Amino acid sequence: NAGVTQTPKFQVLKTGQSMTLQCAQDMNHNSMYWYRQDPGMGLRLIYYSASEGTTDKGEVPNGYNVSRLNKREFSLRLESAAPSQTSVYFCASSAVGPSWDQPQHFGDGTRLSIL
Amino acid sequence: QQPVQSPQAVILREGEDAVINCSSSKALYSVHWYRQKHGEAPVFLMILLKGGEQKGHDKISASFNEKKQQSSLYLTASQLSYSGTYFCGTENQAGTALIFGKGTTLSVSS
Repeated sequence: NAGVTQTPKFQVLKTGQSMTLQCAQDMNHNSMYWYRQDPGMGLRLIYYSASEGTTDKGEVPNGYNVSRLNKREFSLRLESAAPSQTSVYFCASSAVGPSWDQPQHFGDGTRLSIL
Repeated sequence: QQPVQSPQAVILREGEDAVINCSSSKALYSVHWYRQKHGEAPVFLMILLKGGEQKGHDKISASFNEKKQQSSLYLTASQLSYSGTYFCGTENQAGTALIFGKGTTLSVSS
Protein backbone atom coordinates (compact mmCIF):
# COMPACT_ATOMS: atom_id res chain seq x y z
CA ASN A 1 0.00 0.00 0.00
CA ALA A 2 1.16 3.50 -0.80
CA GLY A 3 -0.41 5.08 2.32
CA VAL A 4 -0.62 8.85 1.90
CA THR A 5 0.63 10.23 -1.43
CA GLN A 6 1.36 13.90 -1.98
CA THR A 7 2.06 15.62 -5.28
CA PRO A 8 4.17 17.43 -6.25
CA LYS A 9 7.19 16.77 -4.02
CA PHE A 10 8.85 20.10 -4.88
CA GLN A 11 7.54 23.32 -6.39
CA VAL A 12 8.81 26.83 -6.95
CA LEU A 13 6.28 29.60 -7.50
CA LYS A 14 6.37 33.32 -8.08
CA THR A 15 4.50 35.66 -5.76
CA GLY A 16 0.88 35.93 -6.85
CA GLN A 17 0.72 32.59 -8.67
CA SER A 18 -1.83 30.00 -7.66
CA MET A 19 -1.27 26.34 -7.00
CA THR A 20 -3.06 23.24 -5.74
CA LEU A 21 -1.30 20.63 -3.62
CA GLN A 22 -2.77 17.17 -4.00
CA CYS A 23 -3.13 14.47 -1.37
CA ALA A 24 -4.60 10.98 -1.66
CA GLN A 25 -4.80 8.10 0.81
CA ASP A 26 -5.57 4.46 0.14
CA MET A 27 -6.26 3.32 3.71
CA ASN A 28 -10.00 4.06 3.68
CA HIS A 29 -9.46 6.70 6.35
CA ASN A 30 -12.21 9.12 7.25
CA SER A 31 -10.20 12.10 8.42
CA MET A 32 -7.58 14.08 6.53
CA TYR A 33 -5.39 17.01 7.52
CA TRP A 34 -3.05 19.61 6.07
CA TYR A 35 -0.09 20.92 8.12
CA ARG A 36 2.74 23.28 7.34
CA GLN A 37 6.17 22.95 8.90
CA ASP A 38 8.53 25.87 9.32
CA PRO A 39 11.87 25.88 11.18
CA GLY A 40 11.33 26.24 14.92
CA MET A 41 7.53 26.30 14.58
CA GLY A 42 6.69 22.62 14.57
CA LEU A 43 3.69 21.33 12.63
CA ARG A 44 0.85 23.80 12.38
CA LEU A 45 -2.63 22.71 11.34
CA ILE A 46 -3.99 24.59 8.31
CA TYR A 47 -7.28 22.82 7.56
CA TYR A 48 -8.78 19.44 8.24
CA SER A 49 -11.66 17.26 7.11
CA ALA A 50 -13.16 15.03 9.79
CA SER A 51 -15.21 13.16 7.21
CA GLU A 52 -16.12 13.29 3.53
CA GLY A 53 -18.11 16.43 2.84
CA THR A 54 -16.84 18.47 5.78
CA THR A 55 -13.88 20.82 6.18
CA ASP A 56 -12.80 23.02 9.08
CA LYS A 57 -10.18 25.66 9.75
CA GLY A 58 -7.14 24.86 11.82
CA GLU A 59 -4.60 27.14 13.47
CA VAL A 60 -3.30 28.96 10.37
CA PRO A 61 -5.96 28.91 7.59
CA ASN A 62 -5.47 32.39 6.12
CA GLY A 63 -4.38 32.35 2.48
CA TYR A 64 -5.49 28.76 1.89
CA ASN A 65 -8.55 26.87 0.70
CA VAL A 66 -9.26 23.15 0.73
CA SER A 67 -11.47 20.67 -1.07
CA ARG A 68 -12.39 17.19 0.11
CA LEU A 69 -12.98 15.79 -3.34
CA ASN A 70 -14.01 12.33 -2.13
CA LYS A 71 -13.05 10.01 0.71
CA ARG A 72 -9.56 9.45 -0.75
CA GLU A 73 -8.54 12.95 -1.80
CA PHE A 74 -8.00 16.23 0.03
CA SER A 75 -6.44 19.16 -1.83
CA LEU A 76 -4.94 22.42 -0.58
CA ARG A 77 -5.06 25.53 -2.75
CA LEU A 78 -3.01 28.70 -2.57
CA GLU A 79 -4.96 31.30 -4.56
CA SER A 80 -2.29 34.01 -4.57
CA ALA A 81 1.00 32.71 -3.22
CA ALA A 82 3.07 34.89 -0.89
CA PRO A 83 6.70 34.43 0.27
CA SER A 84 5.38 33.80 3.82
CA GLN A 85 3.83 30.60 2.49
CA THR A 86 7.23 29.12 1.70
CA SER A 87 7.18 25.95 3.78
CA VAL A 88 7.02 22.18 3.80
CA TYR A 89 3.42 21.00 3.58
CA PHE A 90 2.34 17.66 5.01
CA CYS A 91 -0.90 15.86 4.44
CA ALA A 92 -2.04 13.27 6.99
CA SER A 93 -4.96 10.92 7.48
CA SER A 94 -6.49 8.93 10.33
CA ALA A 95 -9.08 6.20 10.65
CA VAL A 96 -12.67 6.61 11.80
CA GLY A 97 -13.01 7.60 15.42
CA PRO A 98 -12.11 10.57 17.59
CA SER A 99 -9.01 12.31 16.32
CA TRP A 100 -7.47 11.94 19.73
CA ASP A 101 -7.77 8.15 19.60
CA GLN A 102 -6.32 7.41 16.15
CA PRO A 103 -2.73 7.60 14.89
CA GLN A 104 -2.07 9.97 12.04
CA HIS A 105 -0.29 8.75 8.91
CA PHE A 106 1.71 11.37 7.07
CA GLY A 107 2.65 11.79 3.44
CA ASP A 108 6.23 12.59 2.42
CA GLY A 109 5.56 16.30 2.12
CA THR A 110 5.63 19.00 -0.55
CA ARG A 111 8.50 21.46 -0.39
CA LEU A 112 7.17 24.77 -1.67
CA SER A 113 9.26 27.88 -2.33
CA ILE A 114 7.67 31.20 -3.25
CA LEU A 115 9.92 33.84 -4.73
CA GLN B 1 -3.40 26.16 22.79
CA GLN B 2 -0.31 24.62 21.16
CA PRO B 3 1.28 22.16 23.60
CA VAL B 4 4.64 23.20 25.02
CA GLN B 5 7.61 20.85 24.73
CA SER B 6 10.84 20.87 26.71
CA PRO B 7 13.71 20.80 26.26
CA GLN B 8 14.09 22.20 22.75
CA ALA B 9 17.15 20.07 22.08
CA VAL B 10 19.05 17.19 23.65
CA ILE B 11 22.50 15.86 22.82
CA LEU B 12 23.35 12.34 23.96
CA ARG B 13 25.95 9.64 23.59
CA GLU B 14 24.78 6.14 22.75
CA GLY B 15 23.49 4.36 25.81
CA GLU B 16 22.46 7.52 27.68
CA ASP B 17 18.90 8.33 28.69
CA ALA B 18 16.65 11.28 27.90
CA VAL B 19 13.25 12.57 28.92
CA ILE B 20 11.11 14.81 26.71
CA ASN B 21 8.19 16.65 28.26
CA CYS B 22 4.93 17.94 26.83
CA SER B 23 2.42 20.12 28.67
CA SER B 24 -0.91 21.66 27.78
CA SER B 25 -3.04 24.47 29.18
CA LYS B 26 -6.26 22.51 28.58
CA ALA B 27 -7.70 19.25 29.83
CA LEU B 28 -6.67 16.35 27.62
CA TYR B 29 -8.11 13.01 26.56
CA SER B 30 -4.86 11.90 25.02
CA VAL B 31 -1.30 12.75 24.04
CA HIS B 32 0.30 11.54 20.81
CA TRP B 33 4.03 11.18 20.17
CA TYR B 34 5.69 11.23 16.72
CA ARG B 35 9.30 11.14 15.54
CA GLN B 36 10.62 12.83 12.41
CA LYS B 37 13.97 12.12 10.81
CA HIS B 38 15.59 14.93 8.84
CA GLY B 39 13.93 15.35 5.45
CA GLU B 40 11.29 12.72 6.16
CA ALA B 41 7.67 12.59 7.27
CA PRO B 42 6.69 12.33 10.95
CA VAL B 43 6.10 8.75 12.07
CA PHE B 44 3.66 7.68 14.75
CA LEU B 45 5.17 6.34 17.99
CA MET B 46 2.35 6.09 20.50
CA ILE B 47 -0.88 7.42 21.93
CA LEU B 48 -1.44 7.75 25.65
CA LEU B 49 -5.10 7.87 26.60
CA LYS B 50 -6.90 9.20 29.63
CA GLY B 51 -7.41 6.28 31.95
CA GLY B 52 -4.04 4.71 31.30
CA GLU B 53 -4.44 2.93 27.98
CA GLN B 54 -1.46 3.11 25.65
CA LYS B 55 -1.32 2.36 21.93
CA GLY B 56 1.75 1.95 19.81
CA HIS B 57 5.47 1.46 20.29
CA ASP B 58 6.41 -1.22 22.80
CA LYS B 59 10.08 -0.24 23.12
CA ILE B 60 9.56 3.37 24.10
CA SER B 61 7.89 4.26 27.35
CA ALA B 62 5.89 7.30 28.24
CA SER B 63 3.65 8.64 30.96
CA PHE B 64 0.51 10.77 30.95
CA ASN B 65 -0.52 12.76 33.98
CA GLU B 66 -4.10 13.78 33.24
CA LYS B 67 -4.43 16.04 36.27
CA LYS B 68 -1.32 18.02 35.42
CA GLN B 69 -2.06 17.87 31.65
CA GLN B 70 1.46 16.64 31.03
CA SER B 71 3.18 13.78 29.28
CA SER B 72 6.78 12.60 29.30
CA LEU B 73 8.57 10.40 26.76
CA TYR B 74 11.38 8.26 28.17
CA LEU B 75 14.19 7.25 25.83
CA THR B 76 16.45 4.81 27.65
CA ALA B 77 19.74 3.34 26.50
CA SER B 78 19.57 5.55 23.43
CA GLN B 79 20.67 4.28 20.04
CA LEU B 80 21.85 6.19 16.98
CA SER B 81 18.49 5.45 15.37
CA TYR B 82 16.73 7.49 18.07
CA SER B 83 18.05 10.71 16.56
CA GLY B 84 15.39 13.00 15.14
CA THR B 85 12.80 15.52 16.18
CA TYR B 86 10.06 14.39 18.55
CA PHE B 87 6.65 16.00 18.49
CA CYS B 88 3.81 15.68 20.93
CA GLY B 89 0.26 16.24 19.71
CA THR B 90 -2.89 17.04 21.64
CA GLU B 91 -6.48 17.53 20.58
CA ASN B 92 -7.64 20.99 19.55
CA GLN B 93 -10.30 22.91 21.46
CA ALA B 94 -13.12 21.23 19.53
CA GLY B 95 -11.58 17.79 20.02
CA THR B 96 -11.68 17.18 16.27
CA ALA B 97 -8.03 17.40 15.22
CA LEU B 98 -4.49 17.22 16.54
CA ILE B 99 -2.23 20.19 17.14
CA PHE B 100 1.47 19.71 17.71
CA GLY B 101 4.19 21.23 19.84
CA LYS B 102 7.28 22.84 18.33
CA GLY B 103 9.33 19.69 18.73
CA THR B 104 12.40 18.48 20.60
CA THR B 105 15.49 17.64 18.58
CA LEU B 106 17.43 14.64 19.86
CA SER B 107 20.96 14.00 18.61
CA VAL B 108 22.64 10.73 19.54
CA SER B 109 26.30 10.21 18.74
CA SER B 110 28.61 7.22 19.08
